[in-house]
Amino acid sequence: DGGITQSPKYLFRKEGQNVTLSCEQNLNHDAMYWYRQDPGQGLRLIYYSQIVNDFQKGDIAEGYSVSREKKESFPLTVTSAQKNPTAFYLCASTGQGGRGANVLTFGAGSRLTVL
Amino acid sequence: GQSLEQPSEVTAVEGAIVQINCTYQTSGFYGLSWYQQHDGGAPTFLSYNALDGLEETGRFSSFLSRSDSYGYLLLQELQMKDSASYFCASSKDTPLVFGKGTRLSVIA
Repeated sequence: DGGITQSPKYLFRKEGQNVTLSCEQNLNHDAMYWYRQDPGQGLRLIYYSQIVNDFQKGDIAEGYSVSREKKESFPLTVTSAQKNPTAFYLCASTGQGGRGANVLTFGAGSRLTVL
Repeated sequence: GQSLEQPSEVTAVEGAIVQINCTYQTSGFYGLSWYQQHDGGAPTFLSYNALDGLEETGRFSSFLSRSDSYGYLLLQELQMKDSASYFCASSKDTPLVFGKGTRLSVIA
């Protein structure tokens, strides 16, 4: 079945450590996104990529980095520069234009906790 | 920029009808989407309105009025499993911008 796979589902990090969250999709979607969710805050965009080897910052990119070396993969690194990284991280993708570009398919999420 | 406003919480009785409103302010606008998210889960797509009017999908309907910068999600014949958070999202090119979500509690 087509979908988005995020790993790990739960992750604990010590302060000062970098961690990388994996996101893989087999939907043949061009665009991929990373959102952060905090209680009562909705979803806030961290980074997005519309094509391989290109990505753009979202509203809260500071302290995060991404890469898009393959169409299927869009990993997110939470660096030590991110001062409040404890959150639920969601990876998503969209298809081509029109309605497809407005239908986000989400992965199951990765919950990061800083100890 | 874009911003969307929706109520933070709504409570409704099983079997009833509930309407979740969403008002938006965007510099340019393509359409309004709705997503459902159960506790601990990922959001799932419910509906998308690019044109004014009502879109119906089973027990769920979504409405858009561009002139009023307003839309709503209508849930009929509420079931306990409909208890979840519901997000409206606006599109202008990509990517989507989300409201803060409305937590719906369905009570017996």
